[in-house]
Amino acid sequence: LAKTTQPISMDSYEGQEVNITCSHNNIATNDYITWYQQFPSQGPRFIIQGYKTKVTNEVASLFIPADRKSSTLSLPRVSLSDTAVYYCLVGGSGSARQLTFGSGTQLTVLP
Amino acid sequence: GAVVSQHPSRVICKSGTSVKIECRSLDFQATTMFWYRQFPKQSLMLMATSNEGSKATYEQGVEKDKFLINHASLTLSTLTVTSAHPEDSSFYICSAPTGGATVGTRMNTEAFFGQGTRLTVV
Repeated sequence: LAKTTQPISMDSYEGQEVNITCSHNNIATNDYITWYQQFPSQGPRFIIQGYKTKVTNEVASLFIPADRKSSTLSLPRVSLSDTAVYYCLVGGSGSARQLTFGSGTQLTVLP
Repeated sequence: GAVVSQHPSRVICKSGTSVKIECRSLDFQATTMFWYRQFPKQSLMLMATSNEGSKATYEQGVEKDKFLINHASLTLSTLTVTSAHPEDSSFYICSAPTGGATVGTRMNTEAFFGQGTRLTVV
C-alpha cells in the first residue's frame, strides 16, 4: 500500500480557502486517492475520491496532477466546524481493499 | 447513502471482564469489514480484517485470542475484547467497503466507518 505524507497541522481563518497537499510518490496504477475527515471521538467520514485530474463535489475539490504523485484537497470558505483531522489515503481498487491511515493533518479554523 | 452502525458508542468496564462491540452495515452487504484502534492524538491503526464465514486476518502484533472477531452474517461483525486491561482502553472503529461504481474498467470504491466505540477499562 502506498505511503502518504501530509503536513501535521494547518491553521486557517473562517471564510478562507484551505488547501492540504498529500504526497504519495509510490502510488500504483490501480490506486485511488481518497480523503477522509475525522472529528474527535467519531469515525472518519468520506469527503472525496479521485483517480486523476480534478474532482469536485458539494464539500470539496480534489486536484491530482498528471503524475499522480501528489494530490491537493481544497476546502472553500472554511468555517469553525471544519476543524478536524484530514486523512489522505491511497489504495487499490476492488471491493475489499483495506485502508492504511497516515498521520493526517490537523486543520484548525480560527475565528 | 450507505451507513455503518457501531454499538456501543462508549463503554466502561472493569479490568478482567470482556466487552463486545458490534458493527453493522445497514443498507448494504459487507463480506469484509475492518477493525481499527486509535489512541489519543494518533492515527487509526488497522487491527484485523473480518471475513464473513471465515476466520479473521490479524495484523502483526495484534493478539487474536484477546481480540475475538466474529463475522457471522453479511451485515454484522463483532469484536470482543477479552480479559480487558487498562492498556486496552482506546477508541475502536469498524469500517466496511461498499461495492461502489465502476469507472471505465476500474472499481471506484469507498469505505464507510462506524461511529466508533470509546472503551475505558478501569
